[in-house]
Amino acid sequence: SQKIEQNSEALNIQEGKTATLTCNYTNYSPAYLQWYRQDPGRGPVFLLLIRENEKEKRKERLKVTFDTTLKQSLFHITASQPADSATYLCALVPSYNTDKLIFGTGTRLQVFP
Amino acid sequence: NAGVTQTPKFQVLKTGQSMTLQCAQDMNHEYMSWYRQDPGMGLRLIHYSVGAGITDQGEVPNGYNVSRSTTEDFPLRLLSAAPSQTSVYFCASSYGRTTSSVYEQYFGPGTRLTVT
Repeated sequence: SQKIEQNSEALNIQEGKTATLTCNYTNYSPAYLQWYRQDPGRGPVFLLLIRENEKEKRKERLKVTFDTTLKQSLFHITASQPADSATYLCALVPSYNTDKLIFGTGTRLQVFP
Repeated sequence: NAGVTQTPKFQVLKTGQSMTLQCAQDMNHEYMSWYRQDPGMGLRLIHYSVGAGITDQGEVPNGYNVSRSTTEDFPLRLLSAAPSQTSVYFCASSYGRTTSSVYEQYFGPGTRLTVT
């Protein structure tokens, strides 16, 4: 079956450390993958996008990698801050011939001072 | 720009009642979609539209209807509410359809629906 998996357990890290979140997918051939941030009681907010022919993408303290062989994307937040505490969602378009955007279940990140 | 707006913010329905969740965007976005979010299930796509007059089913379309008569509006209709439809509903829009290019999604603030 097709699915997108993110670690359902919360990730707890200390301020200043690098947080790494994982998004694994099976039976999809996505053209690209997106990452979103969601705060409690709010809608998701777009952070980064990476295409299948890109290995790595950076934006300020954020870095995303995309390995189509492993069927995995990693999302890194360097020098993490308590304000980075939120749920992070990955999303993908399953193939080139569909307009559906499918989301993973999300991973909650908690950064402690 | 107001972005993506959703009404109401909260709603309680009795089983069997019908209602329409409203979604509007003022960014002239071509693509709009509806998701529901349940604990542990993430966001699940209900219906989507790639332009006015065009709609298609997502992952969990049963029990929901949509229409897209204008670019701006994309209402979601529950025909006969069931307790299983208790959820938080998010509307999203983006500049273009995902097959034509790559666009970020803009989400509304959500509607929290409880069906008793």
